[in-house]
Amino acid sequence: NAGVTQTPKFQVLKTGQSMTLQCAQDMNHEYMSWYRQDPGMGLRLIHYSVGAGITDQGEVPNGYNVSRSTTEDFPLRLLSAAPSQTSVYFCASSYSMEQNTEAFFGQGTRLTVV
Amino acid sequence: AQSVAQPEDQVNVAEGNPLTVKCTYSVSGNPYLFWYVQYPNRGLQFLLKYITGDNLVKGSYGFEAEFNKSQTSFHLKKPSALVSDSALYFCAVRDMPAYKLSFGAGTTVTVRA
Repeated sequence: NAGVTQTPKFQVLKTGQSMTLQCAQDMNHEYMSWYRQDPGMGLRLIHYSVGAGITDQGEVPNGYNVSRSTTEDFPLRLLSAAPSQTSVYFCASSYSMEQNTEAFFGQGTRLTVV
Repeated sequence: AQSVAQPEDQVNVAEGNPLTVKCTYSVSGNPYLFWYVQYPNRGLQFLLKYITGDNLVKGSYGFEAEFNKSQTSFHLKKPSALVSDSALYFCAVRDMPAYKLSFGAGTTVTVRA
């Protein structure tokens, strides 16, 4: 059971380039989300999905797109990378949206935009 | 709006001593509180959660947390710290809307041998 798998682990982009961060989970979880982690700021929610075909914005969605064509996959796309998007990105999933449900996290993607 | 605060950026303890990592919260409804740990270059791992019931919650790796409603706190504790407990610890709260986990800024724990 792999859990939540993110690729790549590291990436360096030039300003203006686009790329897609991949996230897959094998736990048949309905709810998936993307966070970014910046020093001293904890984790902030970028986008989330409550099921295949349904996505919505979190608190810092600008500059990012998501899609959810299957239950398993939830890719995050950077449209035109900016240095402010240098961060560590985490994908998470949980089996429901109930408030008592913990989230399972991937190992993260460390992105540097130069 | 929901939020959590971790008032200490760093906590340093000697191995074998008690470890406490502080967390206070603010929610509009009932609090659903979580602790996660992040080891270097790894993702976040779930430690424990408070939903309702007993104020003392036991979790993974010998950790426990004490919920105090009057003080709106949810401090993480371990009676005897290990060097391997050195990591970044996050407190989080889940409130309505239920999709969102709100995280504190994190506390770096260093346990010296």
